[in-house]
Amino acid sequence: ETGVTQTPRHLVMGMTNKKSLKCEQHLGHNAMYWYKQSAKKPLELMFVYNFKEQTENNSVPSRFSPECPNSSHLFLHLHTLQPEDSALYLCASSQATGTSYEQYFGPGTRLTVT
Amino acid sequence: AQKVTQAQTEISVVEKEDVTLDCVYETRDTTYYLFWYKQPPSGELVFLIRRNSFDEQNEISGRYSWNFQKSTSSFNFTITASQVVDSAVYFCALSEAEIQGAQKLVFGQGTRLTINP
Repeated sequence: ETGVTQTPRHLVMGMTNKKSLKCEQHLGHNAMYWYKQSAKKPLELMFVYNFKEQTENNSVPSRFSPECPNSSHLFLHLHTLQPEDSALYLCASSQATGTSYEQYFGPGTRLTVT
Repeated sequence: AQKVTQAQTEISVVEKEDVTLDCVYETRDTTYYLFWYKQPPSGELVFLIRRNSFDEQNEISGRYSWNFQKSTSSFNFTITASQVVDSAVYFCALSEAEIQGAQKLVFGQGTRLTINP
């Protein structure tokens, strides 16, 4: 595997389900990000992890729970979601040093909440 | 607050035409970074270019070129001799001051570009 991978690519879940999205980066980066992309809004940053520590929570509802066990893996745990949470969830990674490096994105997980 | 505006929601041109995608940004930072990403139908955002606020040189990469003008807070993207494979949604983004080394990207709304054969 190369780059940033995300699983599953598609997910349909009911509002009472619990599921998790997984992201893995094979680039040796130490910062990872979750974004939400919905039809009606531009890309929204949800969470930022830097060296496994969460450094940003962009006012995300608690029904989204991130986890970063190491610099290569990032999870997004989902529970009791709402239909408006249906969107494309994108994971990204980057170097985290004194220079602003570009972020590399995974293919995303298309989530549908029924 | 930082903001990126891509006023063109959709653009449709015929193959081989040149097309320019506009990007206007707002920031109070003196040091910032600008990016362009391409999102094909597969969904993955593909990095195209990064430009820092101290480098106003225009850049050309094959059929792609970028015009950065601090005086007008613009970072426009031109595709020369467009091809059908250029069809995608293009995003302009601005990086705020670093959060302990990681970046907080602010994206524009995106421009959907369709190249017709």
